Amino acid sequence: LAKTTQPISMDSYEGQEVNITCSHNNIATNDYITWYQQFPSQGPRFIIQGYKTKVTNEVASLFIPADRKSSTLSLPRVSLSDTAVYYCLVVGGSQGNLIFGKGTKLSVKP
Amino acid sequence: GAVVSQHPSRVICKSGTSVKIECRSLDFQATTMFWYRQFPKKSLMLMATSNEGSKATYEQGVEKDKFLINHASLTLSTLTVTSAHPEDSSFYICSASLGQFYGYTFGSGTRLTVV
Repeated sequence: LAKTTQPISMDSYEGQEVNITCSHNNIATNDYITWYQQFPSQGPRFIIQGYKTKVTNEVASLFIPADRKSSTLSLPRVSLSDTAVYYCLVVGGSQGNLIFGKGTKLSVKP
Repeated sequence: GAVVSQHPSRVICKSGTSVKIECRSLDFQATTMFWYRQFPKKSLMLMATSNEGSKATYEQGVEKDKFLINHASLTLSTLTVTSAHPEDSSFYICSASLGQFYGYTFGSGTRLTVV
């Protein structure tokens, strides 16, 4: 399973764009990249998923370069409620299990 | 979208007793569900993969006789913590997937406190 590396923590202010980069140097051809958000005492919540290039949904964008060895989660105009831990995961195959790394604790300040 | 319901959300039990946690996929069938535990300020640790109609697959270091998993139907998996001890106190979370391209949905978690 591809191991992921991401910053332990990040600070931001309300209204700013936040970019969290994740390294996954050993990603395999069939693997895809997925990001989750977790608030304290809650289960993780799916944010976005992609295989290559750029994916955008109503809450975030995911940028994946051609070599797919890294990915960047972009949160536009964060608010205080975006304070959470964000996990980058690499998943392979059909219903492969999710192995969580340490995640990035994002703190958004007023 | 896919919803996973987990109950109870919070439970306190005495040492030596057993506790059952339920995980249900409400609007889809899940042949595979996953169980995690999470200690304070730590990441989720995969405990086992629950397979409908067959034995669960446990991760290294997880005692299968201690953490009994049953996946008797396509919408229900249960985790029973047997003979619980204070060190079993943790946050337990289950998840399930609609398929490779739909992501994984997690339950809201169960806070277990053993006194």
